[in-house]
This record gives sequence, structure tokens and C-alpha cells, in this order.
Amino acid sequence: NAGVTQTPKFQVLKTGQSMTLQCAQDMNHEYMSWYRQDPGMGLRLIHYSVGAGITDQGEVPNGYNVSRSTTEDFPLRLLSAAPSQTSVYFCASSYGQGGSHTQYFGPGTRLTVL
Amino acid sequence: AQSVAQPEDQVNVAEGNPLTVKCTYSVSGNPYLFWYVQYPNRGLQFLLKYITGDNLVKGSYGFEAEFNKSQTSFHLKKPSALVSDSALYFCAVRVPGTGFQKLVFGTGTRLLVSP
Repeated sequence: NAGVTQTPKFQVLKTGQSMTLQCAQDMNHEYMSWYRQDPGMGLRLIHYSVGAGITDQGEVPNGYNVSRSTTEDFPLRLLSAAPSQTSVYFCASSYGQGGSHTQYFGPGTRLTVL
Repeated sequence: AQSVAQPEDQVNVAEGNPLTVKCTYSVSGNPYLFWYVQYPNRGLQFLLKYITGDNLVKGSYGFEAEFNKSQTSFHLKKPSALVSDSALYFCAVRVPGTGFQKLVFGTGTRLLVSP
């Protein structure tokens, strides 16, 4: 199993550009999520999905869109990039019930918005 | 609102000495608590979790954590540190009332183990 994969690893955008960060998992996990990591702030939840076709907002959803058409894929779209979106983005997947399951993280995408 | 605090930005310890990385939490209801580790340029890796039961939880790589309800703490410990333990450590708490595991993370503690 490859686990959770993310592409690209690095990306530089200009303000106003759009792009999609890709995330895929091959563990048949029902839950997937996107976090951003900023210095001194830990990880913050952007969006999450509890299954194909079902998504919801996390703590910092503004400026981002997601969709979940398959169990495996959970892309994150930046509609109009802003310098405040410069961050490291992590995708995670998990399974189980009751909140006790473990999340598996991808290697991250480092995004810089100029 | 649920929150976790990691009061130390950095912990320095010599190899072979015991280490402790501190975490305190604030949550309504019973807490589900987690520790994750992040090595340079890598994603987070799960170390251990407390859901219920024994207050001393054992995890990966020889780490353990002690849940203390009265002090609302969940400190990460290891009896003998290795240089390879040097990394960024995150404590996290699950937001109750959600089927999905919404986690609130602390700001992280950098552990530096010197030879």
C-alpha cells in the first residue's frame, strides 16, 4: 500500500491564480480531511469528508473547495490564491467509528503564494 | 471550545536521559487524546492514543503517555531518549459529538536530543 499520497510536493502561485492539490489513499478509508500547518499554530482543519459525496467545513474553510467523487480521492481547490494561503497542506485519511480511529497523513504540499 | 496546550516550544535532552513533552487539554466530556510526531519534511505519524481504560498508554518507538484527569494532562514520556527521536511532536484532542474524528492540535513541541 502506498498509503496517503499528495501531489505536488511544492508549488508556487501568484496571487489570484487557482490550483488543485491532489490527495489519494489506497486503504479504502471512509474519512478524509485536509489540514494546513502554519508556524506556531499547529494543524488546522480546512475541510473533511465522511464518505464519497459528503463533505463539510472545518475550522478554516474560506478560500478552499473540496469534493469527494470517489472513496480514494479528495482534491482541495484554491479558487483565487492569496498570500495568506501560503502554508504546508496535509491530507489525512482514517476509518472506524466513535472517534477512536487513527489518522494517516500524507507527506504534505508546500505552497507559496506570491 | 476544545483546546490543547503545549507549553514548551522546545525540549532539549541528552541521549540516554528520560524525556517528557507536556500537554494539557480542555474538553467537554470524556477526552480522546492523541500524540503525533513529525520528522523533517514528512507528514505526521501516529504515536499513541488514550480513549479509555488504563491511564498509562504505550505507543510506538518506546513512547508512552500518562493521562491525568485531575490535572487535565497527557504528557508524553520515554525512559531513554535517542538522537533519532529529535522531531516535532503534536498533542491533539478529538472534538466530542462528531462521528468524524475532528482533531484540535496543539502548537507543537520540538524535541532535540543531543548525542
